Amino acid sequence: DTGVSQNPRHKITKRGQNVTFRCDPISEHNRLYWYRQTLGQGPEFLTYFQNEAQLEKSRLLSDRFSAERPKGSFSTLEIQRTEQGDSAMYLCASSLGSGLQETQYFGPGTRLLVL
Amino acid sequence: AQKITQTQPGMFVQEKEAVTLDCTYDTSDPSYGLFWYKQPSSGEMIFLIYQGSYDQQNATEGRYSLNFQKARKSANLVISASQLGDSAMYFCAMRAIYNTDKLIFGTGTRLQVFP
Repeated sequence: DTGVSQNPRHKITKRGQNVTFRCDPISEHNRLYWYRQTLGQGPEFLTYFQNEAQLEKSRLLSDRFSAERPKGSFSTLEIQRTEQGDSAMYLCASSLGSGLQETQYFGPGTRLLVL
Repeated sequence: AQKITQTQPGMFVQEKEAVTLDCTYDTSDPSYGLFWYKQPSSGEMIFLIYQGSYDQQNATEGRYSLNFQKARKSANLVISASQLGDSAMYFCAMRAIYNTDKLIFGTGTRLQVFP
């Protein structure tokens, strides 16, 4: 059983460019989450999907951010017109359900550096 | 609103000794779950242990145990017989019954295990 995978692992871009990250959840997991983690902080929730439906977006997710999960499998997170403040680790997680006890399993993350 | 507080930015422990990492939480929801994750320098968040608010006994998973004191709203992680490979960041997280869609994380504790 493979875990959550994320690509790319690292991304360096110039301010103003668009970037896209991909997350492949554990197969059969119907919930997929995106978090952002800045230096010295814990992860902060961005958005989540149940199958292909995006059910919640954090206020952290500005209009420059968009996430999709077109067929309820992999997901993409796109940041348009990147800013230096977008530099962070972007973590993806998946879970089988939504109960209190359901564990979210995380991928290795994508480290974004905006120059 | 839910909040997790981890007051120890860093902890040191000698190999084979036990160590306690502190976590306090705040929520008004009647039912909630508490999680601990380990984050090595590679970046991936690794699930360690879960405690439900109505669980009668403290959770244990191998060398990890959770000292859950509901009245004090604390959920401290105890690592017994520390190993060099335990050196990492440790995050406490919570999800509550009326907000089960995301995890709320603390700022983490960096644990260093020395020989």
